[in-house]
Amino acid sequence: EAQVTQNPRYLITVTGKKLTVTCSQNMNHEYMSWYRQDPGLGLRQIYYSMNVEVTDKGDVPEGYKVSRKEKRNFPLILESPSPNQTSLYFCASSKGGSANQPQHFGDGTRLSIL
Amino acid sequence: QKEVEQNSGPLSVPEGAIASLNCTYSDRGSQSFFWYRQYSGKSPELIMFIYSNGDKEDGRFTAQLNKASQYVSLLIRDSQPSDSATYLCALNSGGYQKVTFGTGTKLQVIP
Repeated sequence: EAQVTQNPRYLITVTGKKLTVTCSQNMNHEYMSWYRQDPGLGLRQIYYSMNVEVTDKGDVPEGYKVSRKEKRNFPLILESPSPNQTSLYFCASSKGGSANQPQHFGDGTRLSIL
Repeated sequence: QKEVEQNSGPLSVPEGAIASLNCTYSDRGSQSFFWYRQYSGKSPELIMFIYSNGDKEDGRFTAQLNKASQYVSLLIRDSQPSDSATYLCALNSGGYQKVTFGTGTKLQVIP
């Protein structure tokens, strides 16, 4: 089954404790992206990757890091999480190396930072 | 002005009616336009995408794009209670590989 898998689905942690949210897709997609969704603000793109070793900032990259060492994986790293990063996070992927194609979304990761 | 604007709603329509959802955007370089549906607590799922001016139909859904006026709309014919969800408009930012979403319109279909 074609899917985007995020882990964990839920996480409660404390300020400053480094964490990684993993994202993996099995569709051989080139484009992968991370979003956060907050009430009233909608989905906002954090980082995106057009292919292996090619990443770029979205609209809200501050406080986040990403890497794309393999085509299927695109982890999101919070080196020193803060309460304002409490949010619902989605990973997505699409074929082709551009933003012109429809995206497939993971089920989301609900992150709470105390 | 926001890059992508949608009326937050809720938009209430009776079952069987046509629901009309609208989205305006500011970046004239945008080339690809998407409508996603998101049920509460779930991830967005693609409904339609459109690249060219005009209408594109898929079953009960029709996407309409007017680049000159910078709007894209989604029509849902014969609306069903199961269509009740938040509809997100998205586009690629011209010249970049970013994707920008509107904040969504909540649709309620009343049985």
